[in-house]
Amino acid sequence: EVQLVESGGGLVKPGGSLRLSCAASGFIFSTYTMSWVRQAPGKGLEWVSSISSNGHYIYYSDSVKGRFTLSRDNAKNSLSLQMNSLRAEDTAVYYCARDFKPQGVLAMPAGSWGQGIPVTVSS
Amino acid sequence: EIVLTQSPDTLSLSPGERVTLSCRASQSVSASYLAWYQQKPGQAPRLLIYGASSRATGIPDRFSGSGSETDFTLTISRLEPEDFALYYCHQYGNSRTFGQGTKLQIK
Repeated sequence: EVQLVESGGGLVKPGGSLRLSCAASGFIFSTYTMSWVRQAPGKGLEWVSSISSNGHYIYYSDSVKGRFTLSRDNAKNSLSLQMNSLRAEDTAVYYCARDFKPQGVLAMPAGSWGQGIPVTVSS
Repeated sequence: EIVLTQSPDTLSLSPGERVTLSCRASQSVSASYLAWYQQKPGQAPRLLIYGASSRATGIPDRFSGSGSETDFTLTISRLEPEDFALYYCHQYGNSRTFGQGTKLQIK
């Protein structure tokens, strides 16, 4: 069974930093593109960042580029999102997500999601 | 960035009815890399459709997707009580973006 467990969320002041982690199990982690998607309170889904299976390709939304850094450790089956210079508008539930199928010729959307972890940026 | 616009924002229907949700892209979605998700309160999204028309694992065949380039639809042929939820379209061919969502509520 696919399991994605997020940790590291919480309350942080504007301008502060936080590091989210996602522990993956139940599948061959090193073969999947992984992503973070967030959802502000009462709002829709917003894609944040994605990383290829080998970690060589990393993509960010314009809203977090230059502030967030995504990385993965395939030996430890873990995904990390370092969030710096946090703003009030970064307040959201952050979901760790795995692509629907292993990385291949065809692009895939996220198909498995963690339960989400709240991040609140407030003074 | 490809902007996805869903319509309508809210739909009020009864169980047993047929419904079609719309998703329009600001530019062509490459290779029909368009997905649909369902989300219920307090839950993570659930993938319904990928590649514009392929059903994900375990998704009932009352859900179907169609469309290409800039116009896509999700159809639920006969609404079940558990289908009342939020629905999002999502393109993953040019970076990744989501539509703003359509709320499907019971009439």
